[in-house]
Amino acid sequence: AQSVSQHNHHVILSEAASLELGCNYSYGGTVNLFWYVQYPGQHLQLLLKYFSGDPLVKGIKGFEAEFIKSKFSFNLRKPSVQWSDTAEYFCAVGNSWGKLQFGAGTQVVVTP
Amino acid sequence: DTEVTQTPKHLVMGMTNKKSLKCEQHMGHRAMYWYKQKAKKPPELMFVYSYEKLSINESVPSRFSPECPNSSLLNLHLHALQPEDSALYLCASSHGDGQKDQPQHFGDGTRLSIL
Repeated sequence: AQSVSQHNHHVILSEAASLELGCNYSYGGTVNLFWYVQYPGQHLQLLLKYFSGDPLVKGIKGFEAEFIKSKFSFNLRKPSVQWSDTAEYFCAVGNSWGKLQFGAGTQVVVTP
Repeated sequence: DTEVTQTPKHLVMGMTNKKSLKCEQHMGHRAMYWYKQKAKKPPELMFVYSYEKLSINESVPSRFSPECPNSSLLNLHLHALQPEDSALYLCASSHGDGQKDQPQHFGDGTRLSIL
């Protein structure tokens, strides 16, 4: 069975601070890894994805994530956050049958 | 704006009612999904349709009945729901071709309240 663990449930930080959200997964097969974001009142949007190749993945809005196979991790980073980054962030693991397993989510609040 | 359209946006129904949630996409995707999301929780997969055939049912109670009339449409028929079924119901779609199946594109969801 696949599972996803996000380290922090709530993160509060000031504008211009750096953000790192942890994500660890367990799954025996080939995985696809994702970070989704859900802004208040909006639908889930894909931030970035990893299928294979370069383990450092760049996504939209200045986000990036690093896949470390030996640590079963896929941490999300942004060097300098903005107030508009306030949202819920979900790490997700997908298998080849189309099943997407989400982590519990991290609520990020950026203060002006 | 999302390319996956869900209607209605909000639905309030009694436990004896029958209603349907609808989802539509015109991206040529051949895999479609229903998720349930409770407040402050991640989405949980309910059903997966691949090429209009049900491929995954995550042990969902029979009071939820999915239907995929064609490759662009996905319905979720509701009957005799319980108050604990109140949640945001999300539809998603993806290309539907093995490893190329991901990522999934999500709709805005239908917020369902059971009285």
